[in-house]
Amino acid sequence: AQSVTQLGSHVSVSEGALVLLRCNYSSSVPPYLFWYVQYPNQGLQLLLKYTTGATLVKGINGFEAEFKKSETSFHLTKPSAHMSDAAEYFCAVRDNDMRFGAGTRLTVKP
Amino acid sequence: DTEVTQTPKHLVMGMTNKKSLKCEQHMGHRAMYWYKQKAKKPPELMFVYSYEKLSINESVPSRFSPECPNSSLLNLHLHALQPEDSALYLCASSPRWSREDNSPLHFGNGTRLTVT
Repeated sequence: AQSVTQLGSHVSVSEGALVLLRCNYSSSVPPYLFWYVQYPNQGLQLLLKYTTGATLVKGINGFEAEFKKSETSFHLTKPSAHMSDAAEYFCAVRDNDMRFGAGTRLTVKP
Repeated sequence: DTEVTQTPKHLVMGMTNKKSLKCEQHMGHRAMYWYKQKAKKPPELMFVYSYEKLSINESVPSRFSPECPNSSLLNLHLHALQPEDSALYLCASSPRWSREDNSPLHFGNGTRLTVT
């Protein structure tokens, strides 16, 4: 079964700094990969998805992710963090149903 | 605004109570899902319905009983729960349940369940 691994359960950045959240996938076939964000006491909101085609995927709120087959990675980045980006971020792979990584909590310091 | 609506938002129940969680979507999706999420953990799949038929039961205890009355509604009936069942219960939907379907899942905001 396909799976994803998120490296780092907690990432802390200063406001205005680069955000980098890491995700590696395990799949023998091209995977369908997603990033979701979860704010406190809310459900999961889709940030972006990779299916096939362009390896650089742009999402909402200024986030983007690059699919690198050679590294089996799908890291999430944002050039400049904002206080409102503080949340839990989940990388996920779709193989019939959706399977999630362990999550990374992003803290943004003023 | 979420396109998947879950009620109630919060639920407190005793171990002898019977209650139900409800989920509704009007996007024409034919796959619906129940996930359980404990604090500081990722969502864990419980059930999948495809075209109103139960397709996956991830070895969930029988005190959780899902129901899909029609393509827009999904219920989760609860009976004789334990305190460790306290969690956020998330409903989601997608156009289809298929390995060829690359659509994302659309999630509701969840029901926060506390079992006393």
